[in-house]
Amino acid sequence: DTGVSQNPRHKITKRGQNVTFRCDPISEHNRLYWYRQTLGQGPEFLTYFQNEAQLEKSRLLSDRFSAERPKGSFSTLEIQRTEQGDSAMYLCASSLTRDRPGDTQYFGPGTRLTVL
Amino acid sequence: AQRVTQPEKLLSVFKGAPVELKCNYSYSGSPELFWYVQYSRQRLQLLLRHISRESIKGFTADLNKGETSFHLKKPFAQEEDSAMYYCALSPPSGYSTLTFGKGTMLLVSP
Repeated sequence: DTGVSQNPRHKITKRGQNVTFRCDPISEHNRLYWYRQTLGQGPEFLTYFQNEAQLEKSRLLSDRFSAERPKGSFSTLEIQRTEQGDSAMYLCASSLTRDRPGDTQYFGPGTRLTVL
Repeated sequence: AQRVTQPEKLLSVFKGAPVELKCNYSYSGSPELFWYVQYSRQRLQLLLRHISRESIKGFTADLNKGETSFHLKKPFAQEEDSAMYYCALSPPSGYSTLTFGKGTMLLVSP
């Protein structure tokens, strides 16, 4: 297993367009997380899934953002009507949660979005 | 609200010098604390977590609940330690998400 993968690695789009990103977690991991990172900031939580259930969403996740994990494997993050403020690195992470604290999250390489 | 503060954007030291990367947190309770590291052109990865009380690559971190701090230390810095370091916390249940600080860039010069 090569770890968490994300596609595309880079995306340039025009304001108002829709974009979709994909994350493939480590195969046996039941939890999947999305974070956003802007320049000079640490990653900020957006949402996470346990299997196919979306368990938590941040207030950062406006109604233009939607995430799915239809079969509990890969996940997609869609941004509708993109704005320049959406330009950021979008990170995906996965973990194998055993109902104890401190489970390690493994991060993907990220998708860098630029909205022109 | 939970918050992680890393007061230094950049820490520059010479090889062999001691290193301390500061992290303070705000949380009503006892969170789990982590240090993540990102080397140049690599993905973010876990360095260590306080519940394991481990030393990784010579780094240690001590949780001080009174001062709500979780500083990362290494007695003798190496050039390969140059990277971006992020302190993070999660709720004690371990179920949920990470709240990260803004990160500190460590540069170790020869």
